[in-house]
Amino acid sequence: SQQGEEDPQALSIQEGENATMNCSYKTSINNLQWYRQNSGRGLVHLILIRSNEREKHSGRLRVTLDTSKKSSSLLITASRAADTASYFCATRPMDTGRRALTFGSGTRLQVQP
Amino acid sequence: DAGVIQSPRHEVTEMGQEVTLRCKPISGHDYLFWYRQTMMRGLELLIYFNNNVPIDDSGMPEDRFSAKMPNASFSTLKIQPSEPRDSAVYFCASSLYRREAFFGQGTRLTVV
Repeated sequence: SQQGEEDPQALSIQEGENATMNCSYKTSINNLQWYRQNSGRGLVHLILIRSNEREKHSGRLRVTLDTSKKSSSLLITASRAADTASYFCATRPMDTGRRALTFGSGTRLQVQP
Repeated sequence: DAGVIQSPRHEVTEMGQEVTLRCKPISGHDYLFWYRQTMMRGLELLIYFNNNVPIDDSGMPEDRFSAKMPNASFSTLKIQPSEPRDSAVYFCASSLYRREAFFGQGTRLTVV
């Protein structure tokens, strides 16, 4: 089963608007990561936030992490048509030494030019 | 480094045939992951290796699936015999310890 679940499943916005995607997970984590996938391509890492961090920025990306609620959000500011893609959160569980990245179901973002 | 390299990019095979997918991870990475992606089930972790040793294969759907990593620079995922429900995009990814994973471009498998 998927560790992380993204919300919403699909999002359509106009260029220049901000896009916010949410992720919930179930177990204790070492870190949480966001990835992007363009149609027909592999996943590309965007940003990693550790369990002891609450917020992180990278360019137009802002990620927050609330470990008490087991949730994270990804904000893309001033969106561009080129941001159209699927976005996934992935967690590195803390338990039992399992170091595998477990992915959510993703949010499909459509940015209209 | 050229990144994670997977081959072939596309594979069409008949039901019952053996299929072998190949992966070359990024040099120096100690973790290698095999994922399968479908519309219905999303991204599923099949198996992962640490320092060439399989750590968790609980995601491997059936005994028809097997994976090996004979050395640090090569891994294979084999399906024998293949079935139509195995049709999916198979991704290989590698990482260094707990850091971000780097994905290959995937192998799109179609079993007819």
